[in-house]
Amino acid sequence: DQQVKQNSPSLSVQEGRISILNCDYTNSMFDYFLWYKKYPAEGPTFLISISSIKDKNEDGRFTVFLNKSAKHLSLHIVPSQPGDSAVYFCAASGQGAQKLVFGQGTRLTINP
Amino acid sequence: DADVTQTPRNRITKTGKRIMLECSQTKGHDRMYWYRQDPGLGLRLIYYSFDVKDINKGEISDGYSVSRQAQAKFSLSLESAIPNQTALYFCATGRDGGNQPQHFGDGTRLSIL
Repeated sequence: DQQVKQNSPSLSVQEGRISILNCDYTNSMFDYFLWYKKYPAEGPTFLISISSIKDKNEDGRFTVFLNKSAKHLSLHIVPSQPGDSAVYFCAASGQGAQKLVFGQGTRLTINP
Repeated sequence: DADVTQTPRNRITKTGKRIMLECSQTKGHDRMYWYRQDPGLGLRLIYYSFDVKDINKGEISDGYSVSRQAQAKFSLSLESAIPNQTALYFCATGRDGGNQPQHFGDGTRLSIL
């Protein structure tokens, strides 16, 4: 039973444009959400997070939006750069960050 | 130097063998985790430990065991490896208290023939 779902296995975006990665969750007890970025042969690296008391968090080119009523979050990258090409995982937790539940990942490719 | 170090980085072994994957950290975090990644399934939690005397099963603990030898060391064992345990394994650490992200090692690619 997949509690966190990323329904797009891959996404291709032109350099300079906006990349939008989506994530849906089913467990209403989740109150903390994170995005991780993963390059080949490396571990996931933390990108940005949001608490359920907020609906938006921004860090430079990266913005995460949370829609609690729809149980949906999204990651916006503006402008997209070639170095953003990676696999992106969303994750959720209901107890701080004690136990994370991950989505399947979305492979983002930024084309020149 | 990496804050979270996993050894070995790659391992090929045969069905029935006992395997140990090791993780050490210099971040000073109390919490440590083991995940496995399979294609199309994301990362799934195997075991986690909040301190040296605390060990908890995760979502998919069957066939695995762990040992927390010290605050900085957390090892994962496959007592009798089977082919469907072929996967990418990640160790992670986290701080106590509140909403904090976890920090991952670079993984161990394990193949069981």
